[in-house]
Amino acid sequence: KQEVTQIPAALSVPEGENLVLNCSFTDSAIYNLQWFRQDPGKGLTSLLLIQSSQREQTSGRLNASLDKSSGRSTLYIAASQPGDSATYLCAFRLSGSARQLTFGSGTQLTVLP
Amino acid sequence: NAGVTQTPKFQVLKTGQSMTLQCAQDMNHEYMSWYRQDPGMGLRLIHYSVGAGITDQGEVPNGYNVSRSTTEDFPLRLLSAAPSQTSVYFCASSYTGLAAYEQYFGPGTRLTVT
Repeated sequence: KQEVTQIPAALSVPEGENLVLNCSFTDSAIYNLQWFRQDPGKGLTSLLLIQSSQREQTSGRLNASLDKSSGRSTLYIAASQPGDSATYLCAFRLSGSARQLTFGSGTQLTVLP
Repeated sequence: NAGVTQTPKFQVLKTGQSMTLQCAQDMNHEYMSWYRQDPGMGLRLIHYSVGAGITDQGEVPNGYNVSRSTTEDFPLRLLSAAPSQTSVYFCASSYTGLAAYEQYFGPGTRLTVT
């Protein structure tokens, strides 16, 4: 069974810092992965989607990478802002069960003004 | 487009009651699914559907029922509510073709069973 771990569970940084959120997984037969943002009491907003054949994807101040051999994905946030405060979730879709997402439990990010 | 919509936003049930959580999408997505989110456990898949008339079980299907009579709607039924079903429920949808399964989520239904 695919296990997905996100470390740290919570992170607090001052505004303007660059930061990295980590996501590790146990099964390298990845079809793709998705990073989501969840604000308190809200649904999930898709941030980035990386196919298994890709190494990274970028959107604005966000960059997500995928390293299947080491079982890791990272989400890099440049020049963090208080509006980035949210919980960030990674989710993987395995080859062969490509319809099912397996989620990590998330990293709760607080960016202090 | 409204995207994925869910009703109600909040619900309180007594143990043993039944109810239906509604989910609709207007993006003509073939694939729809239901997840529950519990503290410290991430999101877990309850049921999913790859098209009208086709449903299948996910990781935690017990106590829940689904049907898919149209492409747009995918209701989740709680047959006899239990306190263990207190959770936040999310509906999601995506294409199943070469659009690579990027999933779109609804705003959630917060359910409390007393």
